[in-house]
Amino acid sequence: DTAVSQTPKYLVTQMGNDKSIKCEQNLGHDTMYWYKQDSKKFLKIMFSYNNKELIINETVPNRFSPKSPDKAHLNLHINSLELGDSAVYFCASSPLGSGETQYFGPGTRLLVL
Amino acid sequence: AQSVTQLDSQVPVFEEAPVELRCNYSSSVSVYLFWYVQYPNQGLQLLLKYLSGSTLVKGINGFEAEFNKSQTSFHLRKPSVHISDTAEYFCAVSHTGTASKLTFGTGTRLQVTL
Repeated sequence: DTAVSQTPKYLVTQMGNDKSIKCEQNLGHDTMYWYKQDSKKFLKIMFSYNNKELIINETVPNRFSPKSPDKAHLNLHINSLELGDSAVYFCASSPLGSGETQYFGPGTRLLVL
Repeated sequence: AQSVTQLDSQVPVFEEAPVELRCNYSSSVSVYLFWYVQYPNQGLQLLLKYLSGSTLVKGINGFEAEFNKSQTSFHLRKPSVHISDTAEYFCAVSHTGTASKLTFGTGTRLQVTL
């Protein structure tokens, strides 16, 4: 069974569209994250939720809106997509705590044309 | 604020040779340190981490790292690499608080050849 899964795996869309990426974890973790990996492989945290509550919200355009319907799911909705949003988006989960191991999903490769 | 520096963007090495991937960090408070590996077209997985105690940490796949507080370093080593170790390696740091925020370095591409 996949521990952290993301859908879709690939997403190609036009500028200005709205799209969503879904993430689910079956590890029983309390905390989930969204990371963005750019074309130079640099990874940066975007958001983190603990038990459906937002605990980390980095400097991200407000076109990006995370939603956590329950502690096993964390979705990312992106409005008015821009060329610069092209990247790989990773979901991760962990128990709460800064020393805990984070488990990453396989990534969603977003290409905005 | 915390930051992580990985000085080498690429490290080419022959199979069965030893390798060291360098990582330095900067933080005004105590930190936890991590090494993650990313194989092509996959997510990241943990190699090893330092929380406290012995400064020499052993991880999966024969990797180890040494925490050096005076030099603010956490270099990753393997005595003999395999072709299958070809991947991107990320050093990361988090504060010893409750918020689980990882700050990553820019990554080192380890390229193992015959």
